[in-house]
Amino acid sequence: EVQVVESGGGLVQPGGSLRLSCAASGFSFSKYWMHWVRQAPGKGLVWIARINSDGKVATYVDDVRGRFTISRDNAKNTLYLQMNSLTADDAAVYYCARETTMAASYYMDVWGKGTTVTVSS
Amino acid sequence: DIRLTQSPSTLSASVGDRVTITCRASQSVSTWLAWYQQKPGKAPKLLISKASNLETGVPSTFSGSGSGTDFTLTISSLQPDDFATYYCQHYNGFPLTFGGGTKVEIK
Repeated sequence: EVQVVESGGGLVQPGGSLRLSCAASGFSFSKYWMHWVRQAPGKGLVWIARINSDGKVATYVDDVRGRFTISRDNAKNTLYLQMNSLTADDAAVYYCARETTMAASYYMDVWGKGTTVTVSS
Repeated sequence: DIRLTQSPSTLSASVGDRVTITCRASQSVSTWLAWYQQKPGKAPKLLISKASNLETGVPSTFSGSGSGTDFTLTISSLQPDDFATYYCQHYNGFPLTFGGGTKVEIK
């Protein structure tokens, strides 16, 4: 079964850091570009980062650039999101998602169930 | 950044109704638009890509159309499993953005 499973969410104080993980299975992880998307409580979806298949090219939304780092370990079939300098605005469910293989198409065809990040003192 | 505006934000409908959701882009995205369905507490599910391409396994009651700045998602006959929130997403460059969502409620 093709799936991605996020972990690492939890409660963190403002200004703190957290690293999220996303374990992939059922597909050739190293061939796919991957994304992180978040959703604040009661709000819509917000794309935050994307990484290419070999981990050398990353793209971010302005709100997180310089604070968040997306990375991957293809040997471990795992995607990461390192989050620093967290604020209350970063509280959300964070989804890991696989990008389609269709050429020049940056939409996501496999999503995880998400992991919840709470930022509070 | 390309802004996507969905309307309505909430829609009340009955089983069997025909439902149409619109997504308007602040600038042309050609046909680089996807639609997702999300149920409470669940991950989004891809329904349609490239504005009108139905994903494998998605019921044929769903259809998408449009190009440029104006797009629609239509459910031809609403089923009980279709009550959910629907999002459009453009992929005409970065940053990727989503519409604000349309919640389809039971009337």
